[in-house]
Amino acid sequence: QVQLQESGPGLVKPSGTLSLTCAVSGGSISSSNWWSWVRQPPGKGLEWIGEIYHSGSTNYNPSLKSRVTISVDKSKNQFSLKLSSVTAADTAVYYCARAGGYCSSTSCWNWFDPWGQGTLVTVSS
Amino acid sequence: EIVMTQSPATLSVSPGERATLSCRASQSVSSNLAWYQQKPGQAPRLLIYGASTRATGIPARFSGSGSGTEFTLTISSLQSEDFAVYYCQQYNNWPLYTFGQGTKLEIK
Repeated sequence: QVQLQESGPGLVKPSGTLSLTCAVSGGSISSSNWWSWVRQPPGKGLEWIGEIYHSGSTNYNPSLKSRVTISVDKSKNQFSLKLSSVTAADTAVYYCARAGGYCSSTSCWNWFDPWGQGTLVTVSS
Repeated sequence: EIVMTQSPATLSVSPGERATLSCRASQSVSSNLAWYQQKPGQAPRLLIYGASTRATGIPARFSGSGSGTEFTLTISSLQSEDFAVYYCQQYNNWPLYTFGQGTKLEIK
């Protein structure tokens, strides 16, 4: 079955850029799925960050859109997240997840399954 | 943005009893709602999608109902492993997915 694994620095300085990668195993990133990033500040709820399709098409949460870039590397079967100009408010566990569900020609209806184990990123000097 | 509101924030139930968790959407999401379970230190796990369809491997004691703006997750007979935080998520408003703030299910 498909498994996802996040990796990247656990500590980022304020005003810096957070960079994470999600490696996909047991399946192809070029399948008919969107691939998402979700974050969870310590002790708080879940926030969707954005998603990418293997074609490179992306969608972002408007609240983060100006700072987020998601990219895909089909040769390595992985996708990545970059979040710029980080502050302490960006401290969170970051999860990658596959969007299950279906799409029409104009819209999609996706839930998230499976998820990676998550990685804690702390923004601090 | 569709705002998802879960209630109660914390629910105390004894093992073996029934638990009923609620999720309300600020506007209709049809049946495009999912439920997740999250245990401490773990990633969320998909329980229900399409408001009422159990995900693969999810026990039958978990059931979902509702449509439009009102949804319910019911756990019919609580087992010790069911005490966790539960989140609802709407996916009717692509490409902006939103989650509820969570309900913590604790042992009474």
